[in-house]
Amino acid sequence: RKEVEQDPGPFNVPEGATVAFNCTYSNSASQSFFWYRQDCRKEPKLLMSVYSSGNEDGRFTAQLNRASQYISLLIRDSKLSDSATYLCVVGGNKLVFGAGTILRVKS
Amino acid sequence: EAQVTQNPRYLITVTGKKLTVTCSQNMNHEYMSWYRQDPGLGLRQIYYSMNVEVTDKGDVPEGYKVSRKEKRNFPLILESPSPNQTSLYFCASSPTAPNTEAFFGQGTRLTVV
Repeated sequence: RKEVEQDPGPFNVPEGATVAFNCTYSNSASQSFFWYRQDCRKEPKLLMSVYSSGNEDGRFTAQLNRASQYISLLIRDSKLSDSATYLCVVGGNKLVFGAGTILRVKS
Repeated sequence: EAQVTQNPRYLITVTGKKLTVTCSQNMNHEYMSWYRQDPGLGLRQIYYSMNVEVTDKGDVPEGYKVSRKEKRNFPLILESPSPNQTSLYFCASSPTAPNTEAFFGQGTRLTVV
């Protein structure tokens, strides 16, 4: 079983749609949680950290459920520029990356 | 500008020819690491360094070497590259602990023929 698992997608959605990504992790001792965004053939960049209380940044909302070892990312009012791969990242004694979920937003 | 710089960005080489990929960060970060990214497998850690002269193996260290003689530099060395090392490589740095936000270099696409 992978340490961090994500649905690879692709998720093909129209502009303006709401889309949700899920991620599960296996190490219950994990301490930090992130969502990164990676554009094609480019470096990953931090999208947002994920806190137990949940957090929101504009159109993006991240949730963490420690009991279920589950992280989610919700994107509202999708834009064409949101098209990318979204990486779920979990930190314990190191960062462990999921393989990513591909999002394609179409006009 | 705060950044992590990798060179070269693209490299095609032949089996067995030693190569070095350089990585430099200007943020005074203590923690640095190397990853390789392959389709369907995500980013896998090759080596990491907690500070100067302190390096350790990650999940896939075979066939790679690193050094950390200065805080800012963390080169990745392939002594005898093989085709299964064809991949996209990223260097990353973090301010302190390894489970904090990582800042990535632009990546090096390596092809070994």
